[in-house]
Amino acid sequence: DTEVTQTPKHLVMGMTNKKSLKCEQHMGHRAMYWYKQKAKKPPELMFVYSYEKLSINESVPSRFSPECPNSSLLNLHLHALQPEDSALYLCASSAGQTSSYEQYFGPGTRLTVT
Amino acid sequence: AQRVTQPEKLLSVFKGAPVELKCNYSYSGSPELFWYVQYSRQRLQLLLRHISRESIKGFTADLNKGETSFHLKKPFAQEEDSAMYYCALLNQGAQKLVFGQGTRLTINP
Repeated sequence: DTEVTQTPKHLVMGMTNKKSLKCEQHMGHRAMYWYKQKAKKPPELMFVYSYEKLSINESVPSRFSPECPNSSLLNLHLHALQPEDSALYLCASSAGQTSSYEQYFGPGTRLTVT
Repeated sequence: AQRVTQPEKLLSVFKGAPVELKCNYSYSGSPELFWYVQYSRQRLQLLLRHISRESIKGFTADLNKGETSFHLKKPFAQEEDSAMYYCALLNQGAQKLVFGQGTRLTINP
């Protein structure tokens, strides 16, 4: 299995809801990433996990809470989001967190906050 | 601060014509640069990286440290090359990718 999968594909949530995005890979990769991509913009890094530990948090608001339960899974818990948080959320993984390793991207979850 | 600039948001060329997508960077250290591509309805994927010095799908990119550029070139464009192309720089200290704004390439038949 050489793919990163993300669920759900689409998510609509209200500003008071709590929801989670899920990302999975079975390539044995030890680094996993969350990116946010607004329309017609490049991906922006949010979080990096390396060996299941949070190694980078790009000053993301606390209403976004990442979790890495094991080496194959990455979650992004969402709570009290704002309409401006509507975007495509991309997950990626790589064998390690260095330049030697290609990042493999998932198809993304398109999130709409109403 | 590190920065990647792709001056063209849109680029349109005819099939069989040469294509060049421009990328300039700003980085104080020794840069590592990449080109990522996103075809319609497909996920973002790595096209090539400068350290590999390889040609993928007929594309090449040469790092020019004097001009701080990493332009992507292909001598004869194909219709299937139509896609969104992102140039990216690895911030080695922070170990994260910094993307340019992207260039949407359209190959006309």
